[in-house]
Amino acid sequence: DTGVSQDPRHKITKRGQNVTFRCDPISEHNRLYWYRQTLGQGPEFLTYFQNEAQLEKSRLLSDRFSAERPKGSFSTLEIQRTEQGDSAMYLCASNQGVTYTDTQYFGPGTRLTVL
Amino acid sequence: ILNVEQSPQSLHVQEGDSTNFTCSFPSSNFYALHWYRWETAKSPEALFVMTLNGDEKKKGRISATLNTKEGYSYLYIKGSQPEDSATYLCAFTNYGGSQGNLIFGKGTKLSVKP
Repeated sequence: DTGVSQDPRHKITKRGQNVTFRCDPISEHNRLYWYRQTLGQGPEFLTYFQNEAQLEKSRLLSDRFSAERPKGSFSTLEIQRTEQGDSAMYLCASNQGVTYTDTQYFGPGTRLTVL
Repeated sequence: ILNVEQSPQSLHVQEGDSTNFTCSFPSSNFYALHWYRWETAKSPEALFVMTLNGDEKKKGRISATLNTKEGYSYLYIKGSQPEDSATYLCAFTNYGGSQGNLIFGKGTKLSVKP
């Protein structure tokens, strides 16, 4: 399967714990995006990378959130000191990033539940 | 704040019915409109990307139209099948905004009964 993969698919944690998610984009895709979908809402942009450079972060990305993309391949999203409001589906997407119309290809998401 | 509205929020139809959904978006600085289909426990699947006013795209029984001047897009499904059951999301990108990140609506959840 050459699609976008995410790990884990589900994560249950207690409030105050740290969690880390991983995204493996489609090979050779330069851009990698993170989105978050909370209950009843559409996905909302969090951040994106052009190769290994993190070029933009949404105001939704508090200082408890950090994302990395070492070597411009896979990416990790870490949430420190989780809160119940962090419960959501975290989606990763990738594309070539040549134009703004390039399709973003999504992974299946990581569903986080904070107890 | 850029807002994308989708209606209806949910829809229940019988197998064989044709149906359509609406996506409304800000018409200023429009760049592209994307439609995705998202089945439970799967990845959102890209259906269409449209950029030009009056654009029409078709994929099997699914088609979409775009009006950038008034800021709306319609998605049509002809002869709905149970496998069409999914949430249909629209998203747009605009000039001057972030470089290509999608602004999504809340989606229309379609249920097709056999």
